[in-house]
Amino acid sequence: SQTIHQWPATLVQPVGSPLSLECTVEGTSNPNLYWYRQAAGRGLQLLFYSVGIGQISSEVPQNLSASRPQDRQFILSSKKLLLSDSGFYLCAWSSLAGIEQYFGPGTRLTVT
Amino acid sequence: AQTVTQSQPEMSVQEAETVTLSCTYDTSESNYYLFWYKQPPSRQMILVIRQEAYKQQNATENRFSVNFQKAAKSFSLKISDSQLGDAAMYFCALTPSGNTPLVFGKGTRLSVIA
Repeated sequence: SQTIHQWPATLVQPVGSPLSLECTVEGTSNPNLYWYRQAAGRGLQLLFYSVGIGQISSEVPQNLSASRPQDRQFILSSKKLLLSDSGFYLCAWSSLAGIEQYFGPGTRLTVT
Repeated sequence: AQTVTQSQPEMSVQEAETVTLSCTYDTSESNYYLFWYKQPPSRQMILVIRQEAYKQQNATENRFSVNFQKAAKSFSLKISDSQLGDAAMYFCALTPSGNTPLVFGKGTRLSVIA
């Protein structure tokens, strides 16, 4: 069966520090991958999505970037964090022709 | 562009009773898919139910069912025999097809009263 992992589970970082969040999927190949952010008490905002290795679409122009170094790995990065980057970051996957998206456990990021 | 609106920020229901959560949407696509996701306090997003727009029959999953009104662009979730474990944020979501991201509503927080 398929499993999605996110690392780390929680993170506290000072303003101006770099960021690297990792998402990996097991049990499937060539998945579509997504990064969402959820601010406190709010809905989910799509940040990036990738429908194939080497293809990454950005929905929100910010100081965040995404990379897909391997088929089942999706990385969210920042060179310098802002206070507004605090939130709950969720990674999701779907099969190449699939409709449903399945979410990882998330990373809670606090920027101080 | 697609939009999803959940007009009830909070709802409550007595244990064992039935509750309906509302969702309206807008899309210019002729075919699309609608979902309800549940986010319990652990914040793990869990898929509850899915509806294909081309299907007239309302989807059902155990105690969860939907009322899909395509002309009205309405997609409500009914939870029957509510249980304490149903307490969570519920998100309505839409996608026009595979390989495209979901568009989410802002969510409805459901409390279940014992």
